[in-house]
Amino acid sequence: NAGVTQTPKFQVLKTGQSMTLQCAQDMNHNSMYWYRQDPGMGLRLIYYSASEGTTDKGEVPNGYNVSRLNKREFSLRLESAAPSQTSVYFCATKWSRAENSPLHFGNGTRLTVT
Amino acid sequence: AQSVTQPDIHITVSEGASLELRCNYSYGATPYLFWYVQSPGQGLQLLLKYFSGDTLVQGIKGFEAEFKRSQSSFNLRKPSVHWSDAAEYFCAVSHNFGNEKLTFGTGTRLTIIP
Repeated sequence: NAGVTQTPKFQVLKTGQSMTLQCAQDMNHNSMYWYRQDPGMGLRLIYYSASEGTTDKGEVPNGYNVSRLNKREFSLRLESAAPSQTSVYFCATKWSRAENSPLHFGNGTRLTVT
Repeated sequence: AQSVTQPDIHITVSEGASLELRCNYSYGATPYLFWYVQSPGQGLQLLLKYFSGDTLVQGIKGFEAEFKRSQSSFNLRKPSVHWSDAAEYFCAVSHNFGNEKLTFGTGTRLTIIP
């Protein structure tokens, strides 16, 4: 059951280090999203890509950049990690932007910044 | 701005007992409403959704939810819980501007006792 694959599953960074979180999907979905999940705060949208070649900011974009490499892949980059970016990151996809198209989630990347 | 409130952070029920998880939303027009479930270490999975029509919607795993406009609620129910239902449950609301406006509640953690 591939669906949405996120790598790595776990990562520990020191403050100031950079890294890229990878997301790949095999469902031929058009829209892809990056969320972060923090205790007591639910999920918050970082960036999204409504279709190949487009990206837009979500609710909490500061400190992040994204690349929609092709239809399958959507990466999230932290250029200079900060402890406030310690979180669980989820990639999600959907067939279209339409509100009645449900999200499909990956299993998450747990990131700790020390 | 739209918002979602899940007033119960943690609920414990006995296996075989009935369950109701509360969700209240704040949004001017008719919203699109979702319930997602997250098992430990996993991404979120869609349980059910409401867009229009019959206010009682059926989902996977024996769950159902009822939309009550007068109470701005979309509570999730199950007549008899199983140990495998232990997870975190998220209510989410969207409107017709695309999924980038999907707002999640802070979640309710469900514990099942034998």
